[in-house]
Amino acid sequence: ETGVTQTPRHLVMGMTNKKSLKCEQHLGHNAMYWYKQSAKKPLELMFVYSLEERVENNSVPSRFSPECPNSSHLFLHLHTLQPEDSALYLCASSSLGRYGYTFGSGTRLTVV
Amino acid sequence: GESVGLHLPTLSVQEGDNSIINCAYSNSASDYFIWYKQESGKGPQFIIDIRSNMDKRQGQRVTVLLNKTVKHLSLQIAATQPGDSAVYFCAEKKGGSEKLVFGKGTKLTVNP
Repeated sequence: ETGVTQTPRHLVMGMTNKKSLKCEQHLGHNAMYWYKQSAKKPLELMFVYSLEERVENNSVPSRFSPECPNSSHLFLHLHTLQPEDSALYLCASSSLGRYGYTFGSGTRLTVV
Repeated sequence: GESVGLHLPTLSVQEGDNSIINCAYSNSASDYFIWYKQESGKGPQFIIDIRSNMDKRQGQRVTVLLNKTVKHLSLQIAATQPGDSAVYFCAEKKGGSEKLVFGKGTKLTVNP
C-alpha cells in the first residue's frame, strides 16, 4: 500500500448509470490529482486540487465531476459516460512544494 | 509545447544485465524530473528523482542521468531482476508549476 487508497478497484457501468470513485490519503498531503490512463497514451491529468480548491481542470467533459470535501478525500462523480471513457483512473497526492506524487492503485473502469 | 517522450516503447533484457531506459523532453524550463515504475494492476511507484542542477543521482541499483544540453534523461538499472519487469515512465515539472507531465512509458521485460 502506498498510503493512497482508491475504491472500487474495478467498476463496470452502463452509459446511463451514475457512480463515484473514491480516493483517500492519510499522508498529510495537501494536493490531490485525478489522472486518466488509457492504453498506449501518456497519463492524462484531469483535475488538480490544491488546499481543497480546484486549481486545474484540463478540459474534461462535464460528465466527470470532481469533489474534494477535505484534504484527505477526493471523489470523481461519473454520469452518462461513453465507452471511450473506459480506462484506469488514478488518484495521486503530494505536498505542495515537494514534487513527487504518491499514486493509488487506480480504479479500472469499463463503460458498457 | 510541453512533451515528454521515450525512445523505445519496449525493452527486453536478460536477468543480470544492466538496463538503460531513455527519455527525451522538450521543455527547457523543466527543473525537476522523476522516474516511476508501474507494475501490472498497480499505480505508478516513485523510483528516483533529480533536479536540474544535477546531472547524476544514484539510488539502490538505479541511477538517473540528466543531460540538459540535449534534453535527455535516462534510467539505468543494474543487475536487472525479474521483479524489475514493469512499465517505466519519466515525468518532468516546469519551474513554478506543481504539475508533472508524463511520457508514454517503456515496457521493460526481464528474461530469466
